[in-house]
Amino acid sequence: EAGVTQSPTHLIKTRGQQVTLRCSPISGHTSVYWYQQALGLGLQFLLWYDEGEERNRGNFPPRFSGRQFPNYSSELNVNALELEDSALYLCASSPSVDYEQYFGPGTRLTVT
Amino acid sequence: AQKVTQAQTEISVVEKEDVTLDCVYETRDTTYYLFWYKQPPSGELVFLIRRNSFDEQNEISGRYSWNFQKSTSSFNFTITASQVVDSAVYFCALSEPESGSARQLTFGSGTQLTVLP
Repeated sequence: EAGVTQSPTHLIKTRGQQVTLRCSPISGHTSVYWYQQALGLGLQFLLWYDEGEERNRGNFPPRFSGRQFPNYSSELNVNALELEDSALYLCASSPSVDYEQYFGPGTRLTVT
Repeated sequence: AQKVTQAQTEISVVEKEDVTLDCVYETRDTTYYLFWYKQPPSGELVFLIRRNSFDEQNEISGRYSWNFQKSTSSFNFTITASQVVDSAVYFCALSEPESGSARQLTFGSGTQLTVLP
């Protein structure tokens, strides 16, 4: 069974630009979660989508947004990139009735 | 206050030694879930175990074992006869479905384990 996949693997952007990260969950999983792992800040929850709806968001500004598609894949959009947005962005998925989250390999974003 | 505390930032052991990674959590919920994840240098978080708040049985899986104690709000992880491949960052995490934070995970700061040959 294929795991969670994320694209791209690496990304370099300039301050002020916009970026879109993509995630495909494990087949049968309806929930998708996004986390940011920035140096010195640990793993922080960003967004949770389930059945196409945003269910909860972490303490991040509105320029972090996303959506979930009918096939349960998801996008994370970050507008007006700032240097401190440089981080590893991890996507996870879970079945709707379970709590275990399975993570993808992440997208490493560097903002210069 | 931190909800999940991993006081050990870095631990270094020699291969075949046993090592225990500590995790202390804080919650007011009666129903909650605790997790351990492993993050090798590749970066992908690997799920190791989930425990719910009503199940205090200790668990053993091969060289891994977990000690859950509600009385001390701890969920410690022991690796027996450590191997070089165990070198990674290990994260403890908490999910509190009752308190409105729903199912997202609150992670500790992680413990970097280095197993030397």
